[in-house]
Amino acid sequence: EAGVAQSPRYKIIEKRQSVAFWCNPISGHATLYWYQQILGQGPKLLIQFQNNGVVDDSQLPKDRFSAERLKGVDSTLKIQPAKLEDSAVYLCASSPRLAGPRDTQYFGPGTRLTVL
Amino acid sequence: TQLLEQSPQFLSIQEGENLTVYCNSSSVFSSLQWYRQEPGEGPVLLVTVVTGGEVKKLKRLTFQFGDARKDSSLHITAAQPGDTGLYLCAGLSGGYQKVTFGTGTKLQVIP
Repeated sequence: EAGVAQSPRYKIIEKRQSVAFWCNPISGHATLYWYQQILGQGPKLLIQFQNNGVVDDSQLPKDRFSAERLKGVDSTLKIQPAKLEDSAVYLCASSPRLAGPRDTQYFGPGTRLTVL
Repeated sequence: TQLLEQSPQFLSIQEGENLTVYCNSSSVFSSLQWYRQEPGEGPVLLVTVVTGGEVKKLKRLTFQFGDARKDSSLHITAAQPGDTGLYLCAGLSGGYQKVTFGTGTKLQVIP
């Protein structure tokens, strides 16, 4: 079974530029997550989709970040415009079922963003 | 905002030693998960504990969920270099099981 795919793996941009990340979850997984992970810290949830609907985006900086999940499958996360503090690894994860306490999340390798 | 504090933040030990990592919060969680993350990769789930007081063992790793479901611990016996990595606890709560990750514990096991 293929894992969660993310692209690109690395991205370097200058502040005020725009950037987009792509995620392809494991086939059939209902729930998709985007996390931001600052080096050495735990991931912070940005947005959680259940099928193609948003169930939590309370920590998404909506003035500059946006995300969509097309047809309940692939997802893109966009930052426009980027700031220096957005430098981080952006992780995508998916889980097979609708939310439950025993959910297992499967993570992709992440996209490392550097904003200069 | 729910917070999960892990301690210690960093741990460097010799191969064969034992260690315990703590994960504490003032919030109640429906379940608590532990992940290990290696450089350049995403976190990988080690275990999920659901019941207050639950203890789970995974070879040399022992996980415990606090009675009040607010805290957890991870104990590693006879650590090996392959245990090196970033250990993360994560609490699930709410109707959609929102995931809150802990601050992380970076473990280095020296051969």
